[in-house]
Amino acid sequence: KAGVTQTPRYLIKTRGQQVTLSCSPISGHRSVSWYQQTPGQGLQFLFEYFSETQRNKGNFPGRFSGRQFSNSRSEMNVSTLELGDSALYLCASSLRDSQETQYFGPGTRLLVL
Amino acid sequence: KQEVTQIPAALSVPEGENLVLNCSFTDSAIYNLQWFRQDPGKGLTSLLLIQSSQREQTSGRLNASLDKSSGRSTLYIAASQPGDSATYLCAAPSGAGSYQLTFGKGTKLSVIP
Repeated sequence: KAGVTQTPRYLIKTRGQQVTLSCSPISGHRSVSWYQQTPGQGLQFLFEYFSETQRNKGNFPGRFSGRQFSNSRSEMNVSTLELGDSALYLCASSLRDSQETQYFGPGTRLLVL
Repeated sequence: KQEVTQIPAALSVPEGENLVLNCSFTDSAIYNLQWFRQDPGKGLTSLLLIQSSQREQTSGRLNASLDKSSGRSTLYIAASQPGDSATYLCAAPSGAGSYQLTFGKGTKLSVIP
């Protein structure tokens, strides 16, 4: 069974630009969560989707948004990039929710210059 | 608000030693706790998920325990090997019924040959 895949793996953007990251969950998984990981703050929850509905949102500004498609693939978008958005963005999938084992993708490393 | 703390932040041990990693959490109204491993620049790999009813979970040389009443979990690694070198993170649900996980900042383990 293929694992969680994330594209692209690396991105370099400049301040003010916007970026879209993609996550394909394990086949049959309907819950997708997104996390931002930085050396200073560690892993911080962004949002979680189930069956195309956002069930939870973390404490991030409105520049961070996401969506989930009918095939459970998910995208997150960051608009008006800031230097502080440089981070490793990780997505995780599970069958239904966080009560189950979370399977993480390799992440997308975003560098904002 | 759930807070997860991991002590120590870093640990260096000689190969073959048994070791314990600690995780504490503030909100004990959790239904499970998960332990993950992260290699440098990579995503997270799930190691163990302990349900609140289990108290202990084992996988190979790894054993995790959960004590909700004291707000603590431990990950025991037996006969450590250089390949165990990685950062170990624990994660707990952010509250009763929450769909998000709160992560500790991890313990960076180095096993010296």
